[in-house]
Amino acid sequence: AQKITQTQPGMFVQEKEAVTLDCTYDTSDPSYGLFWYKQPSSGEMIFLIYQGSYDQQNATEGRYSLNFQKARKSANLVISASQLGDSAMYFCAMREGQRGAQKLVFGQGTRLTINP
Amino acid sequence: NAGVMQNPRHLVRRRGQEARLRCSPMKGHSHVYWYRQLPEEGLKFMVYLQKENIIDESGMPKERFSAEFPKEGPSILRIQQVVRGDSAAYFCASSPSRTGASYEQYFGPGTRLTVT
Repeated sequence: AQKITQTQPGMFVQEKEAVTLDCTYDTSDPSYGLFWYKQPSSGEMIFLIYQGSYDQQNATEGRYSLNFQKARKSANLVISASQLGDSAMYFCAMREGQRGAQKLVFGQGTRLTINP
Repeated sequence: NAGVMQNPRHLVRRRGQEARLRCSPMKGHSHVYWYRQLPEEGLKFMVYLQKENIIDESGMPKERFSAEFPKEGPSILRIQQVVRGDSAAYFCASSPSRTGASYEQYFGPGTRLTVT
């Protein structure tokens, strides 16, 4: 079963608009972490934002915020005031447990294109 | 403070040859992870190592693939007798602590392996 699901293969957004990238996850572990990474065409993986399962508030980092809805098991990334440089692949990932398995499980990604 | 270093950045091998991919973690990090990314897909976990120990190799193919992280020197991912299906981007990541809560994994730039 898919642990991380990103249902939007591609999205096209006008510059300066806000955009929401969807991510749902599946785990029975009460302790987990959720991550978003950006992969531009150059190929590197850039960490954007982290949300812990016990965090009371939604994470924010500059123009990035994470809409964490625990009961629905969703962790959508919101980018406010999109810029041309935001065009890239975006991956949602999950790490289960505080101890033991530390691997990240990634979704298939969403290709975001910002139009001028 | 140098980030995660990987070399080579691009590697071309003929079928049947060996590929060696190197990863130097960030200074102070003692945990290394290897991931593989096939074209148009998300990253898939391969192996998690500490110095001189393999912690989790649940994502490693049973044959031809091996990894090590010696006491001195970089971590090495070795692929013997490469086949065309091994063509992918291989990413290394490092983290400072196995049991840390929110420590993200810092990714290297990746090695693009092409098997001809």
